[in-house]
Amino acid sequence: KNEVEQSPQNLTAQEGEFITINCSYSVGISALHWLQQHPGGGIVSLFMLSSGKKKHGRLIATINIQEKHSSLHITASHPRDSAVYICAVKPNTGNQFYFGTGTSLTVIP
Amino acid sequence: EPEVTQTPSHQVTQMGQEVILRCVPISNHLYFYWYRQILGQKVEFLVSFYNNEISEKSEIFDDQFSVERPDGSNFTLKIRSTKLEDSAMYFCASSEARSSVDTGELFFGEGSRLTVL
Repeated sequence: KNEVEQSPQNLTAQEGEFITINCSYSVGISALHWLQQHPGGGIVSLFMLSSGKKKHGRLIATINIQEKHSSLHITASHPRDSAVYICAVKPNTGNQFYFGTGTSLTVIP
Repeated sequence: EPEVTQTPSHQVTQMGQEVILRCVPISNHLYFYWYRQILGQKVEFLVSFYNNEISEKSEIFDDQFSVERPDGSNFTLKIRSTKLEDSAMYFCASSEARSSVDTGELFFGEGSRLTVL
């Protein structure tokens, strides 16, 4: 059974801080999604990656396939970054994604 | 920008009633999914649909659930006889994956909140 663990569960930061959210998983995967869920409930895809690193604006995602670990970094954090960040992995077999429990981020002005 | 749309945004129903949640996936996507999220819990996979049939389903997706693509654009989730524990946010997603071994980014709808009384 695939387990997806995220840390921390909750994170409060001051505006401008550099933020790191971690995701670990237990099986071989073909892809990993970082998603953002706002208080209204909607889910938005931030990144999908299977190796290396991706950058989009102030967001950077890295993945280490051998160590079964990924990180999401937010540079120069802003209150509008406040949301739940979810990691989801697609195992090598099958076509579904398994989700982590999410990291709730609050950025204080 | 193309998006996945879901209706209704919120539905309240009595226990035992049938509910149909509707989704319009992105038009050139081939893989469709239903996920659910019980309040305060993580998102859980229900079912994936490809080439007009169920590709995978989870243990949650029992005989009370069914999916259908009644026409070229809609993708529906039916719950035949709702239970209290079916109360959750239901998300539809579609993917640009072109086959069962392909990996495509997921695009989610805004969700349909189901409340069973």
